[in-house]
Amino acid sequence: DTGVSQDPRHKITKRGQNVTFRCDPISEHNRLYWYRQTLGQGPEFLTYFQNEAQLEKSRLLSDRFSAERPKGSFSTLEIQRTEQGDSAMYLCASSLVQGHEQYFGPGTRLTVT
Amino acid sequence: GQSLEQPSEVTAVEGAIVQINCTYQTSGFYGLSWYQQHDGGAPTFLSYNALDGLEETGRFSSFLSRSDSYGYLLLQELQMKDSASYFCAVSPGSARQLTFGSGTQLTVLP
Repeated sequence: DTGVSQDPRHKITKRGQNVTFRCDPISEHNRLYWYRQTLGQGPEFLTYFQNEAQLEKSRLLSDRFSAERPKGSFSTLEIQRTEQGDSAMYLCASSLVQGHEQYFGPGTRLTVT
Repeated sequence: GQSLEQPSEVTAVEGAIVQINCTYQTSGFYGLSWYQQHDGGAPTFLSYNALDGLEETGRFSSFLSRSDSYGYLLLQELQMKDSASYFCAVSPGSARQLTFGSGTQLTVLP
């Protein structure tokens, strides 16, 4: 099937290390979003791509976070010099430009020790 | 900025009807969405309202009043599998990125 996939599903890292997550959206979807979710909260918007262009980033997003979507297909989210506060579920979603429904992947759970 | 308020918990019995309210304050508004999330699962889309009124999709309905900055999700004929977290979310911009509420944990009792 062709839902949104994310890799890895779980990542445990030590504070100060860099981590990279991958998201493969539904193939015909132009828009790709990254969100972060902590326990008991709703997902928090991080950044958004339309095709390969990163069009918006949350003002709350630290400079340690960077995302790419080369060729408008899969996307990567990198966190440099991880901190314990980065521990969360990182969710990717995709949608059509004209659509209002976002399809979420299963997420990558990051634990920073 | 954006803020959304919804009850943290709701409990109901199988077969009942439950309404989850959501009030919002946003600097821009393109629509109100509702998502369901089971424990350990991904959020899944339930409904979307861009205009005032009621949208019905099977057992679920969603309502929006733009003048009151208010919406609700109505779940009918509750089933045990409806036990989950329900999030309202607004699209404050044309890019449709979502700002989510903190979620309502619905527990359906037998």
